[in-house]
Amino acid sequence: AQTVTQSQPEMSVQEAETVTLSCTYDTSENNYYLFWYKQPPSRQMILVIRQEAYKQQNATENRFSVNFQKAAKSFSLKISDSQLGDTAMYFCAFKLNRDDKIIFGKGTRLHILP
Amino acid sequence: NAGVTQTPKFRILKIGQSMTLQCTQDMNHNYMYWYRQDPGMGLKLIYYSVGAGITDKGEVPNGYNVSRSTTEDFPLRLELAAPSQTSVYFCASSNRGGGVSNQPQHFGDGTRLSIL
Repeated sequence: AQTVTQSQPEMSVQEAETVTLSCTYDTSENNYYLFWYKQPPSRQMILVIRQEAYKQQNATENRFSVNFQKAAKSFSLKISDSQLGDTAMYFCAFKLNRDDKIIFGKGTRLHILP
Repeated sequence: NAGVTQTPKFRILKIGQSMTLQCTQDMNHNYMYWYRQDPGMGLKLIYYSVGAGITDKGEVPNGYNVSRSTTEDFPLRLELAAPSQTSVYFCASSNRGGGVSNQPQHFGDGTRLSIL
């Protein structure tokens, strides 16, 4: 069975700093996708970034980038120049290509301090 | 764009009551999902559907039922509400194009349900 682990329940950083959220996962398969979702206080779930496992190049979306280490089964999210609006719960998620279900981690609550 | 719409946004039920959480999407997505999110926890999949007329159990299906009579609608029913079902419920949809299941899920705003 696939699992997703986020070892940091809560983090706080000053505005404009860079922060890295950790995620590890476990699978015996090779073909999958990884995602980071953001859930602000409004409770919406917003896709931040996604990575295809077959791609070696790390995905980047503006201030958000990932460090995908397939051998280590690690998928960390880096937020550069953090902003107050980045305050939210962040969920790491995993999906097998052949499956229809997404598995979520327990989340990391991120506070951006002014 | 409406996207995924959930109703109601809030509801309080008494133990043993029943209710249906509504979910509709206007993106012609084949795949729809129901999740629950307990306080401080991640999302757990309750049921999902890969198309009209097809539903499958997720991780925590007990106490719930679903139906998918149309592509747009995927209601979730609680028959005998229990305090353990107090949670925030999210509906999501996605499309699976070209044989590659890489489409992100679009989420509704959630329904906060309390069972007292």
